[in-house]
Amino acid sequence: NAGVTQTPKFQVLKTGQSMTLQCAQDMNHNSMYWYRQDPGMGLRLIYYSASEGTTDKGEVPNGYNVSRLNKREFSLRLESAAPSQTSVYFCASSESQETQYFGPGTRLLVL
Amino acid sequence: QKEVEQDPGPLSVPEGAIVSLNCTYSNSAFQYFMWYRQYSRKGPELLMYTYSSGNKEDGRFTAQVDKSSKYISLFIRDSQPSDSATYLCAPSGGYNKLIFGAGTRLAVHP
Repeated sequence: NAGVTQTPKFQVLKTGQSMTLQCAQDMNHNSMYWYRQDPGMGLRLIYYSASEGTTDKGEVPNGYNVSRLNKREFSLRLESAAPSQTSVYFCASSESQETQYFGPGTRLLVL
Repeated sequence: QKEVEQDPGPLSVPEGAIVSLNCTYSNSAFQYFMWYRQYSRKGPELLMYTYSSGNKEDGRFTAQVDKSSKYISLFIRDSQPSDSATYLCAPSGGYNKLIFGAGTRLAVHP
């Protein structure tokens, strides 16, 4: 089992460019999440998907869109990247309140 | 005011020390209280969790919740250099949503 995988591991963008962060899980979980982690801010929820076909906004959704492609995959898209979106992005999946399984993260730098 | 407050540290202790990590929260509806550990440049991983008030012990780790004072603690006994990491408290906001504290960075030196 690979658990939760994320691609790419690292990306540099220029302001205004777009990109999609990919996430996949092989644990057959219904719920999937996208977080960003900034120094001193902890993990903040961007979007989540409680089940295939549904998505909801989290704490910091502005500037992002998501797609729950199927039960395994949940992608995060930046349409027009801004320097404020420089961060480390984590995808997670879960089947219960107690346990979310996290991917290794994507480090994004927007110049 | 943030829903979950956590001292970011860093906290530096000698090997073998007892470590106390703490969080406070504001939402009395939280029922599940998780502690995640995050090594440098890695994703967080669940360390342990507690349901409602009380204590839970797992080896050298003890999680404690006092719902009356909205206070969450994690104790590490006989700390080891391998415990050096960032520890994040995360009460559950329902619907499988976690509210993370900022994390406390712990360094255990030999």
